[in-house]
Amino acid sequence: NAGVTQTPKFQVLKTGQSMTLQCAQDMNHNSMYWYRQDPGMGLRLIYYSASEGTTDKGEVPNGYNVSRLNKREFSLRLESAAPSQTSVYFCASIPSGGLWTEAFFGQGTRLTVV
Amino acid sequence: GIQVEQSPPDLILQEGANSTLRCNFSDSVNNLQWFHQNPWGQLINLFYIPSGTKQNGRLSATTVATERYSLLYISSSQTTDSGVYFCAGGTSGGYQKVTFGIGTKLQVIP
Repeated sequence: NAGVTQTPKFQVLKTGQSMTLQCAQDMNHNSMYWYRQDPGMGLRLIYYSASEGTTDKGEVPNGYNVSRLNKREFSLRLESAAPSQTSVYFCASIPSGGLWTEAFFGQGTRLTVV
Repeated sequence: GIQVEQSPPDLILQEGANSTLRCNFSDSVNNLQWFHQNPWGQLINLFYIPSGTKQNGRLSATTVATERYSLLYISSSQTTDSGVYFCAGGTSGGYQKVTFGIGTKLQVIP
């Protein structure tokens, strides 16, 4: 089925551990995004990639790095996890142009850092 | 940046009732969307509506861009409408400039 696939769906990390969240879309979309969702705060943009080969910081980039591996894949890496990074992470993609006329979200990754 | 305010924060409806959710923006947006997050966490597009009115089944949305607000109407609510409704808005030319509200949590009870 076409869409945005995130892996893993759940993860528990110890403080200081590292991990990579994977995101892949098969809709040939140009732009991809990583958001985090925290209670009472809506979704906040971590990083985005307007097109293959480019990445830019969003609202809350500290503690994260990203890689746009190819047009399909956009990964988010936590180098040294902290309890403040406990959150639900969503990957999204849109076709192009920066207008969210057709935004698709993955099912989310629920991350707990202890 | 743009501030997005949604109201009410929580809403409980009896099945079959109608409701109106509101989204206010602190500045003009030309990129406005409504999403539904179901109880399993999946986010689904409902409407892209920078201005005017759109309808999709029991849902409709109206945006008055000059007054910087948007309304989402749910008629004859069903239990499957439960979840959190988000609006998000931004300005053209900026991939990153889409700001989400904190959502309206809707519970529809049988």
